[in-house]
This record gives sequence, structure tokens and C-alpha cells, in this order.
Amino acid sequence: LAKTTQPISMDSYEGQEVNITCSHNNIATNDYITWYQQFPSQGPRFIIQGYKTKVTNEVASLFIPADRKSSTLSLPRVSLSDTAVYYCLVGAHTGGFKTIFGAGTRLFVKA
Amino acid sequence: NAGVTQTPKFRVLKTGQSMTLLCAQDMNHEYMYWYRQDPGMGLRLIHYSVGEGTTAKGEVPDGYNVSRLKKQNFLLGLESAAPSQTSVYFCASSSRRERNEQFFGPGTRLTVL
Repeated sequence: LAKTTQPISMDSYEGQEVNITCSHNNIATNDYITWYQQFPSQGPRFIIQGYKTKVTNEVASLFIPADRKSSTLSLPRVSLSDTAVYYCLVGAHTGGFKTIFGAGTRLFVKA
Repeated sequence: NAGVTQTPKFRVLKTGQSMTLLCAQDMNHEYMYWYRQDPGMGLRLIHYSVGEGTTAKGEVPDGYNVSRLKKQNFLLGLESAAPSQTSVYFCASSSRRERNEQFFGPGTRLTVL
């Protein structure tokens, strides 16, 4: 299983763009990169998933370089409600598996 | 469409007592999972199931048993609760085709005294 490394915490201000980088040096060929968001006292919520290059949805963008050894979750113009823990996961898209959630990155958005 | 529901939301047990946590999903998902989350930490996979009648061990399976008799339900059992099992338990489900997009329930907060 590919291990991931993320910063423990980050601070930002409302209206700023936030980039959270995840390292996954031993990512396998068939692994996808998935990001989740978790608010206090709630279960995680899927944000975005990608395999290579760039993926964008209504919530975030995911940038993956050609070597796929890292990925960056980009949150445009954050608000106070984006304060949460963000998890980066790496794993195969289908088939049997064991999901590994690391400690995540605690993002705190200030007014 | 309720998504993933968990019963109960809170529970307090004494050491040695047993209990079952129920997870139900109405999305016809093939895969279901049980995680535990301790304060300030990420989620750890206890057991998972890739289909009705099948279960497999995750990262921290000791002290827990599971059953998936129906596709929509995934039960987590604690036969003899220990204080180390005090945690928040989350159930999740996903489809076979999009297994990395897991849908989580609201969690069960369990305290073992």
C-alpha cells in the first residue's frame, strides 16, 4: 500500500486559495489519488479523485505531476466553513483493498 | 434516499459487555466498511466487505467481529468490550466501480468504562 505524507496543519484567511500537498512516493501504476474532507463530529466526505494531470469539480482542483509521486489539493477562495481535516488517500480504483487514512491535514481558516 | 445510517448514535458500555453496531445503506453498494477514529487521529479500517456473505480483516480487526447477511446491512460486534475500544465508529459504503468514493455514516460514539 502506498503511504502518504501530508502537513499536520495549515492556517489560512478567508478568500485565499489554499493548496495542500500530499506525498506518495511509492504509488503503484493502478493507484488513484482521492481526497476527503472531515468536519468535527461528522464522517469524512469525498471531495475529488484523480489519476494524472488535473481534475476540477465544483469544490476543488487536484493537480498531479507526471511522476505521480505527489498531488496538490487546491481550494479556491476558502471560507470559514472550509475549516476541517483533509485526508489524502492512494489506492486502486477497483478490486479488493485496504483503505489507509493517515492523520490528515487540519486546515484552520481565519476571518 | 437516506444514504448510510448507523444505529445507535451513542452508547456507554461497561468492560466485558457486548454490543452490536448496525450500519445500513440504501445505495445498493457492493462494498461496506467499518472504521474507528480515536481523538485527533485518522480513521483506521477494522473490517470490510466486498459483497453479501463475505468479510475481510482491515488494519485493526482484533476484538471485533462483523457480518454481512444482507447486501444493505453491515454489523459490527464487540463480544467483550474493553476501554481501549472507546472510540467513534464510522461505517461507509462504496460501489464496486467507484470504490474510492466512500459514503460515510454519521458515526457512533462508544464509551467503554
